[in-house]
Amino acid sequence: GAVVSQHPSRVICKSGTSVKIECRSLDFQATTMFWYRQFPKQSLMLMATSNEGSKATYEQGVEKDKFLINHASLTLSTLTVTSAHPEDSSFYICSASEGAYGYTFGSGTRLTVV
Amino acid sequence: GQQLNQSPQSMFIQEGEDVSMNCTSSSIFNTWLWYKQEPGEGPVLLIALYKAGELTSNGRLTAQFGITRKDSFLNISASIPSDVGIYFCAGREQTGANNLFFGTGTRLTVIP
Repeated sequence: GAVVSQHPSRVICKSGTSVKIECRSLDFQATTMFWYRQFPKQSLMLMATSNEGSKATYEQGVEKDKFLINHASLTLSTLTVTSAHPEDSSFYICSASEGAYGYTFGSGTRLTVV
Repeated sequence: GQQLNQSPQSMFIQEGEDVSMNCTSSSIFNTWLWYKQEPGEGPVLLIALYKAGELTSNGRLTAQFGITRKDSFLNISASIPSDVGIYFCAGREQTGANNLFFGTGTRLTVIP
């Protein structure tokens, strides 16, 4: 089946630094990828839709300049958390759409900002 | 974005018991999906439903796409300890963007 690789799985960074998270579709091309954020014991909240070759579409309330998304190829999308602060600490998960119906998720990235 | 209403929020059951959880939305969906998430991992797809009324099984799991297109349920029969986790429903609206909306999750604990 479809596999989505997300890296890193865990990252600790200092406040004020930037962190990049990669999401790769390993055996299929994904024109669309999605980035979610999940707080402890809560559901997944869509942050943005990443479109290959065009600008990402952000959900209401998500800062575009804080969460930079790049989808430069059909197999790679990146999320960069810029000037991270402790309140950005969370579990970030990407998913890739294989076609009209397939949604496969990465294993997530636990970000801790100290 | 929209969030689906999922119930129950949590369940504590004895091993061997059956489990039922459901999900409702305020709008019509053309796809319903059920995922299981374990701590520190991303969600893993259990069952996908694409037609109203569709009933699909995956081993001990059975899920149905409601006739109204606004609800879905997941049943787990003869639960075992490894069923422990958080179960999420997810759906895609009939109109609009390609993204999924997620339910609030059901945390399942199975007591051996």
